[in-house]
Amino acid sequence: GEDVEQSLFLSVREGDSSVINCTYTDSSSTYLYWYKQEPGAGLQLLTYIFSNMDMKQDQRLTVLLNKKDKHLSLRIADTQTGDSAIYFCAEGYTGGFKTIFGAGTRLFVKA
Amino acid sequence: EAGVAQSPRYKIIEKRQSVAFWCNPISGHATLYWYQQILGQGPKLLIQFQNNGVVDDSQLPKDRFSAERLKGVDSTLKIQPAKLEDSAVYLCASSPDISAEAFFGQGTRLTVV
Repeated sequence: GEDVEQSLFLSVREGDSSVINCTYTDSSSTYLYWYKQEPGAGLQLLTYIFSNMDMKQDQRLTVLLNKKDKHLSLRIADTQTGDSAIYFCAEGYTGGFKTIFGAGTRLFVKA
Repeated sequence: EAGVAQSPRYKIIEKRQSVAFWCNPISGHATLYWYQQILGQGPKLLIQFQNNGVVDDSQLPKDRFSAERLKGVDSTLKIQPAKLEDSAVYLCASSPDISAEAFFGQGTRLTVV
């Protein structure tokens, strides 16, 4: 079956790195996504990685994918207070059908 | 570029009443999605349209939920009759095609009392 799991909370100090982890169950997924949701707002796609890749870097964001363990992580370097939000991991499939979201990790950044 | 517009932003209704939500996707986007996000959970896809045709509605509770996308542009999602467990944020998203990034609206927060 399809399931995406994340830890619910993460607290870091401003300037530190944040690492948000996610595990998924369906090895047939094509894409793995990270979305950000700020209070009262819709979801914003931060980055995504194809399931045949191991790593993707985009400015302060680094995504690591361990296909064997079905583990995905998002590292935010130099975390800022503006990074405080809920981060959702999601898996998707070719054709865009039925993207499956995790429950989200709430990131708290302390000044 | 204007984003995905949804209305209303908030709605409070009593159980067994009916409610409708409206979504205007980004101009030119062929694919439109409705998601339900219950507090503390991730979004769950309810229905996906490609132009005015339904691609996936496997998770739509069809006994009470309905959605349409006439003319392949705007879409409405209706709940009739509402139950307490329908309290959630209803998110609309659109994308240029099925495989592209989806852009989300701000959502409609529904409270059923």
